Amino acid sequence: AQKVTQAQTEISVVEKEDVTLDCVYETRDTTYYLFWYKQPPSGELVFLIRRNSFDEQNEISGRYSWNFQKSTSSFNFTITASQVVDSAVYFCALSEPYNAGNNRKLIWGLGTSLAVNP
Amino acid sequence: GAGVSQSPRYKVAKRGQDVALRCDPISGHVSLFWYQQALGQGPEFLTYFQNEAQLDKSGLPSDRFFAERPEGSVSTLKIQRTQQEDSAVYLCASSLEQANDEQYFGPGTRLTVT
Repeated sequence: AQKVTQAQTEISVVEKEDVTLDCVYETRDTTYYLFWYKQPPSGELVFLIRRNSFDEQNEISGRYSWNFQKSTSSFNFTITASQVVDSAVYFCALSEPYNAGNNRKLIWGLGTSLAVNP
Repeated sequence: GAGVSQSPRYKVAKRGQDVALRCDPISGHVSLFWYQQALGQGPEFLTYFQNEAQLDKSGLPSDRFFAERPEGSVSTLKIQRTQQEDSAVYLCASSLEQANDEQYFGPGTRLTVT
């Protein structure tokens, strides 16, 4: 069965620290997609990144970077030089591909609540 | 451009009442999803539409839950005879077309059943 585990329930850091949010997934499929979403206190989920299972290149976007390792089934997210505005709940999600006959639903982790303190 | 909108943002219902939650997806988005998010939890899938066709309703928790998207744009999630355990945030998301496109979420409707 598909499953996403975010072992860190809450993380608290001081501004400018680097922080890594862990995501470990389980799937029986060889083709799948992984996502990260941010949910700030306002409640609206914001898309951050989508990664195809065939693309193991790490990605950097400003202060955000993602490390995808199929060997350990992990898709970790690092925020460099964290800021107070980064405070939010971050969700990792797994999606099966349409061609597998599924209906594109996302399997979500429980989220990691990040607090960045000034 | 306009994002996904949901109304109402907050709804308080007495147990046993029926409620209707509305979602306006991004114009042109083919796929529409409903999720339920309990406090401190991740979103849980409820149902999925491709245009007006409801392709998956496996996540609906009971036959009190019903969703429709009759013209392939606006969608309504209806909950009949609400129960306290229905209290949650109901999220709507839309995506452009392709499988596994990123989903764009609305702000959610917070339902409280008293």
